[in-house]
Order: sequence, then structure tokens, then C-alpha cells
Amino acid sequence: DTEVTQTPKHLVMGMTNKKSLKCEQHMGHRAMYWYKQKAKKPPELMFVYSYEKLSINESVPSRFSPECPNSSLLNLHLHALQPEDSALYLCASSQGPSRSGNQPQHFGDGTRLSIL
Amino acid sequence: GQSLEQPSEVTAVEGAIVQINCTYQTSGFYGLSWYQQHDGGAPTFLSYNALDGLEETGRFSSFLSRSDSYGYLLLQELQMKDSASYFCAAWDQGGKLIFGQGTELSVKP
Repeated sequence: DTEVTQTPKHLVMGMTNKKSLKCEQHMGHRAMYWYKQKAKKPPELMFVYSYEKLSINESVPSRFSPECPNSSLLNLHLHALQPEDSALYLCASSQGPSRSGNQPQHFGDGTRLSIL
Repeated sequence: GQSLEQPSEVTAVEGAIVQINCTYQTSGFYGLSWYQQHDGGAPTFLSYNALDGLEETGRFSSFLSRSDSYGYLLLQELQMKDSASYFCAAWDQGGKLIFGQGTELSVKP
């Protein structure tokens, strides 16, 4: 079990569906992240929220839309995804957006997404 | 740009010691971190080195040499549960955490 909770754990959707991934943390962290991870590959950063504001968008296609409703919650809205978007989507949080390892990132277990 | 190189896989036996190396090229340097990820699980933070030298946390130690742009993770008294992927990671100047490609460690009985 991790301190960052992601739902759902698994999601299968068609290319025309709209769905949302959810992430929650109650550690008082002020930076939250979305990563995409393909099998046998490292996590790739998608978005960073710092103090509930989007601070980094790694040129992610607009079919992925992040939202940070409050300091504990992070959503990723999905629409018109492609088969190549099938992957593990990881949420992480850290105390702040500092470039420092003494503020490590805490990851959730991820949502395994399959696009049919 | 930022890149981190580490071996793709390492195999060792229970009770042994294994070292996973990481060399990096960065435009700025803010320290080297290590994460462990079991199959199907979340990456978990293991250690961080900002300065040269060895940091020890139980059976795991991490070393950094900034002059050589090199670090390693040392795992002692290997156990079967240590079988996992290990990633070195470093921050870039834009505030992103960049991961190496990962080293898959297999511990055999």
C-alpha cells in the first residue's frame, strides 16, 4: 500500500470513450505529478502541478487533460485515446517542487490503461 | 540535455552483494536519486546523494562522485524480495526528474 492512492487500478476503454483517472494524497504535499510508463521503460513525466497550478506540461497531446481541484487531488481526463496510449499511468507527489532528493517523490500504484 | 546510463540487467545470488552503476550527463546537477520498482508496483524512493561519498541505509548504500559524473547503488545480503527494477534519477534545470532506463535485478536462490 502506498500513501498516494490512484483509482481505478485497471481501465479498459474504447477510442471514443471519455474517462478520468484519479489521484489522492493526504501528506500535505504541494507538488503533484502525472507520469506514463510503458513496460520495461522508466516513468516519463507528463504534467507537474505546483501549489495547484500547472507548472510543467511535457508537450502532451490534448487528448490528455489534467486537473488539480485542490491540494490533495489530481485528475487526468482522457478523451479519444489511441492504442499507443495503453500504459501504466502513475501519479506522484512531493513536499514541494524543489529540485532536491531530500524531497523524494511518492508514487501511487498506478492505473493500468488499455485502449481497444 | 540530461541522460543517465545504467546496465539493463544484473543477476546475483541470495546473500551476495551487487552494485548497480549509473553515469550521468547533465546541464546542471542537483543530486542523484535511486528508486526501486517491483513488477506491477509503484516506484519507491531508496536514497539520495547530493554530495560526494557514501550514504548508507540498512542493506542499501548509494555512492556519488560528482567529478566522475558517476554513482552506484550497492545492495548487500541480497534477498529474493530485492528482485526488481532499479532506476537512478536526476533533476534537470527545468525542474523535471529524469530517470535512467532502469536495471532489472534478478536474485537467484
